[in-house]
Amino acid sequence: AQSVTQLDSQVPVFEEAPVELRCNYSSSVSVYLFWYVQYPNQGLQLLLKYLSGSTLVKGINGFEAEFNKSQTSFHLRKPSVHISDTAEYFCAVGPSGSYIPTFGRGTSLIVHP
Amino acid sequence: NAGVTQTPKFRILKIGQSMTLQCTQDMNHNYMYWYRQDPGMGLKLIYYSVGAGITDKGEVPNGYNVSRSTTEDFPLRLELAAPSQTSVYFCASSSGGVNTGELFFGEGSRLTVL
Repeated sequence: AQSVTQLDSQVPVFEEAPVELRCNYSSSVSVYLFWYVQYPNQGLQLLLKYLSGSTLVKGINGFEAEFNKSQTSFHLRKPSVHISDTAEYFCAVGPSGSYIPTFGRGTSLIVHP
Repeated sequence: NAGVTQTPKFRILKIGQSMTLQCTQDMNHNYMYWYRQDPGMGLKLIYYSVGAGITDKGEVPNGYNVSRSTTEDFPLRLELAAPSQTSVYFCASSSGGVNTGELFFGEGSRLTVL
């Protein structure tokens, strides 16, 4: 079985500051990793994904994430955030061979002017 | 492209009433899922389906039922609604395979049971 831990439930930052949202996972098999974003009163949408290859993955809206197998982490970063990045962010794990992804509890990113 | 469509968007139920949340997708995805989202708790899987005629329980199936008669539709039935079922419900679909985990979500159905 796999699990996902998002270490911060809430991350407040000022506009134009850098941000990192942390995600750790545990799994006994190879995994696919995902970050989703949920804007207020909307469904989730995919930000980026890691399936294989380069461990640095770039997504939409200037976000990127780095897969670190030794630390079982997949932290999400953005060098300069905007007010419009205020949203809930979910890390998810989809083990190879399974069709049931596991979601973390989410991190609320709050960008202040 | 419509993607995943859920109806209704909002509903208030009285304790003991029943209702069906509708979900349809137009991407010809085999995999479909129902999640509930409660504040600070992330997403909990209720039921999922890997194709027409095949459904299985997720983490929190009690009080719910599903059916999958077509590839497109995956309705969620709530029988004898209880206050604990107050939540936001999301339907999602996936093409599966190496894209497992890459889900397409509907906009959600907000249910209140009073």
